[in-house]
Amino acid sequence: EVKLVEYGGGLVQPGASLRLSCEASGFTFSDFYMEWIRQAPGKGLEWIAASRNKANDYSTVYSASVKDRFTISRDTYKSILYLQMNTLKPEDTAIYYCAYNNFDYWGQGVMVTVSS
Amino acid sequence: DIVMTQGVLPNPVPSGESASITCRSSKSLVYKDGKTYLNWFLQRPGQSPQLLTYWMSTRASGVSDRFSGSGSGTYFTLKISRVRAEDAGVYYCQQVREYPLTFGSGTKLEIK
Repeated sequence: EVKLVEYGGGLVQPGASLRLSCEASGFTFSDFYMEWIRQAPGKGLEWIAASRNKANDYSTVYSASVKDRFTISRDTYKSILYLQMNTLKPEDTAIYYCAYNNFDYWGQGVMVTVSS
Repeated sequence: DIVMTQGVLPNPVPSGESASITCRSSKSLVYKDGKTYLNWFLQRPGQSPQLLTYWMSTRASGVSDRFSGSGSGTYFTLKISRVRAEDAGVYYCQQVREYPLTFGSGTKLEIK
């Protein structure tokens, strides 16, 4: 059974850092692109980062809104996808989802709140 | 970046009727392989999005045949036949033609 479980969210102050994790199981982690998507309260979906698969050297892509502040990475031995978020801003407040296989599978999401 | 623009539904839609949701892209989503890289999702309240269709018109596994996607390179429609209460939620289109991937702003469907 495929499972994606995000964790690591919480309440942080502006300027702080946070690392999200997405634990994957039920599929060959290295074969697939992995994505992070977020959804601000009451708003729509925003794609923010991708980690391509092993065949593409796990190369990464970012949206303009998080580039240079967020870093996507993966631990292929543990099958965990990470999102390191630095210099957080109030507008980063959102539910963060991981997804894969052309978004056919999503985690349950984890809430990040950036507020003083 | 490719901009995705979604239409609005005349809510609420009576149960058993059909509903069509539109989406337009600022650039053709047809790739050199001939496929159109357009996804449709449904997000029910409090849930993660669910993939409905990909490659514009291919239904995802387990998705009811009441959902059908169609369109051209830049104009797309998701038709929901015989709408049911469980179809209520927000529908999003998404282009996966190129990075950065982009979503439409969402179209809310309410059922009467």
